[in-house]
Amino acid sequence: NAGVTQTPKFRVLKTGQSMTLLCAQDMNHEYMYWYRQDPGMGLRLIHYSVGEGTTAKGEVPDGYNVSRLKKQNFLLGLESAAPSQTSVYFCASSYRQGIPSTNEKLFFGSGTQLSVL
Amino acid sequence: AQTVTQSQPEMSVQEAETVTLSCTYDTSESNYYLFWYKQPPSRQMILVIRQEAYKQQNATENRFSVNFQKAAKSFSLKISDSQLGDTAMYFCAFMKPLGGGGADGLTFGKGTHLIIQP
Repeated sequence: NAGVTQTPKFRVLKTGQSMTLLCAQDMNHEYMYWYRQDPGMGLRLIHYSVGEGTTAKGEVPDGYNVSRLKKQNFLLGLESAAPSQTSVYFCASSYRQGIPSTNEKLFFGSGTQLSVL
Repeated sequence: AQTVTQSQPEMSVQEAETVTLSCTYDTSESNYYLFWYKQPPSRQMILVIRQEAYKQQNATENRFSVNFQKAAKSFSLKISDSQLGDTAMYFCAFMKPLGGGGADGLTFGKGTHLIIQP
């Protein structure tokens, strides 16, 4: 199994350009997440999805849009990139249960380094 | 909203020594999950250890163990017999139970950069 796959791994944009990051998982997980990682800030949640066709805002959603048209894919879009969006972006997926369990954890992709000039 | 605090931005120890990384969190939930993730220079996020809040027994995984103090909201990671390959960023993270208030997913601390010296 590939697990969680992110494409692309690196990207350089000019201010104002748009792009889409693709996340794909093959574990049949309902829950998917997009995080950004900045130096000294840890990972912060941008948006997440609890199932196909659903999305919800996280801690830092401004400037980003997401879509979950298929269960296995979660797309993160930047409509008009800004230098403040220079970051490493991580996608993750999870199996969640409604009772305390030993299986709940996030599986991460390998990250996308995005630079906005 | 939950918060996770790691008060040690960087630590350095000699190979084979034991090191403890600190983490405190704040939540009003009674059932939740706590994690330590390792991020080496490769950038990959690697799960080191997890703890369910309803379990009193501290989790252990080989050289890694935790000291979970629920009343104090403390969750420290102990690495025994440290190795050069343990050099990495370590993140403490909190996950609320399914259906609990607020956003889903992990809430991370800012990380501790651990350096193992030869």
